[in-house]
Amino acid sequence: GAGVSQTPSNKVTEKGKYVELRCDPISGHTALYWYRQSLGQGPEFLIYFQGTGAADDSGLPNDRFFAVRPEGSVSTLKIQRTERGDSAVYLCASSPRGTAAYNEQFFGPGTRLTVL
Amino acid sequence: AQKITQTQPGMFVQEKEAVTLDCTYDTSDPSYGLFWYKQPSSGEMIFLIYQGSYDQQNATEGRYSLNFQKARKSANLVISASQLGDSAMYFCAMREGIGGTGGFKTIFGAGTRLFVKA
Repeated sequence: GAGVSQTPSNKVTEKGKYVELRCDPISGHTALYWYRQSLGQGPEFLIYFQGTGAADDSGLPNDRFFAVRPEGSVSTLKIQRTERGDSAVYLCASSPRGTAAYNEQFFGPGTRLTVL
Repeated sequence: AQKITQTQPGMFVQEKEAVTLDCTYDTSDPSYGLFWYKQPSSGEMIFLIYQGSYDQQNATEGRYSLNFQKARKSANLVISASQLGDSAMYFCAMREGIGGTGGFKTIFGAGTRLFVKA
């Protein structure tokens, strides 16, 4: 079946602009995660959705970052007034259950954001 | 405070030999899970293996095994019979509050780049 898809694969923008990054999880997966991976680093947790609600947004770095998942499927990560430090690969992952003892996260290919 | 520590930025291993990638972690939560992921140069993150804090036995998945030493807070990944395709970044990760009311925030280490030599 289809895996997690993310669009665009690459995004180049100018400092101060607004960007939207889209994540399409695996069909039926209720849990969705966003991570940010800077060059040479491990992924950094941003936000977790269970269904439509953000169950944990403690990783969002500031109020310029916002994410939605209005119908419990596709999610959009929105970044306002982008800064050069926002340049990174943004990874999305989904999993079939949000309350199991553990669950494997299936990652998308990521969106590489470059802020000039 | 650093919760996941991977002290080996790079490792070399000869093809067909075994290699151990180190990971130490820090948590006060008695209920947690430990994960290892592989990230090839293509960028995708691939789940390899999971160990729960209450699991009595070390986890194994094919050529991957996790050497879990709870008292030392260590969760090393052992790859047996290395293959050229194992060359990649490897990340250790932890999630606290597994199975309870904890969140689902997964914390990753900085990674170890593994090079398999022919």
